[in-house]
Amino acid sequence: KAGVTQTPRYLIKTRGQQVTLSCSPISGHRSVSWYQQTPGQGLQFLFEYFSETQRNKGNFPGRFSGRQFSNSRSEMNVSTLELGDSALYLCASSSEWGTDTQYFGPGTRLTVL
Amino acid sequence: AQSVTQLGSHVSVSEGALVLLRCNYSSSVPPYLFWYVQYPNQGLQLLLKYTTGATLVKGINGFEAEFKKSETSFHLTKPSAHMSDAAEYFCAVSEAGNTDKLIFGTGTRLQVFP
Repeated sequence: KAGVTQTPRYLIKTRGQQVTLSCSPISGHRSVSWYQQTPGQGLQFLFEYFSETQRNKGNFPGRFSGRQFSNSRSEMNVSTLELGDSALYLCASSSEWGTDTQYFGPGTRLTVL
Repeated sequence: AQSVTQLGSHVSVSEGALVLLRCNYSSSVPPYLFWYVQYPNQGLQLLLKYTTGATLVKGINGFEAEFKKSETSFHLTKPSAHMSDAAEYFCAVSEAGNTDKLIFGTGTRLQVFP
């Protein structure tokens, strides 16, 4: 079974732009979570979607948003990029909401110049 | 609120030596506990997890961890380090029934010397 895939793997943007990252979960998985990883703040939970509904949300500003489609694929969007948004963005999927192990993708490395 | 503390941001061991990575948690509800490993330029791979039941949990690649409620600890061990174990290790906690929101520790980078 194919793992979690994230596209693109690398992205360079400039301040003020917006960006959309994509995540395809493992086949059959319905829950998708997003995390931001930076050297200074470590791994932080962004939000989680299950059956197209946001179930959990972390402590991030409204510039960070996401959605999930009927095929469980998820996107996250960051608007008005800031230098501090440079990070590795990780997506994870699980088969059932709240009770199953999360499996992580390789991440998207976002650099904001 | 839940939190995780990993003692030691860097740990160095010789090949063949015992690996011990420390993790303490804080949780007002019974926690689920996880250890993940991250190799350079890769995502996170689950090593092992504790949910309920047996407190000694065995994972992949010869790692194991023991849940000690009285000490609020979940330390990761491996009897004999291998060069391929060099990576960053993250301890994480979640609430039971809310495993899609993980709270991570700051990570421990393990170096293995020949």
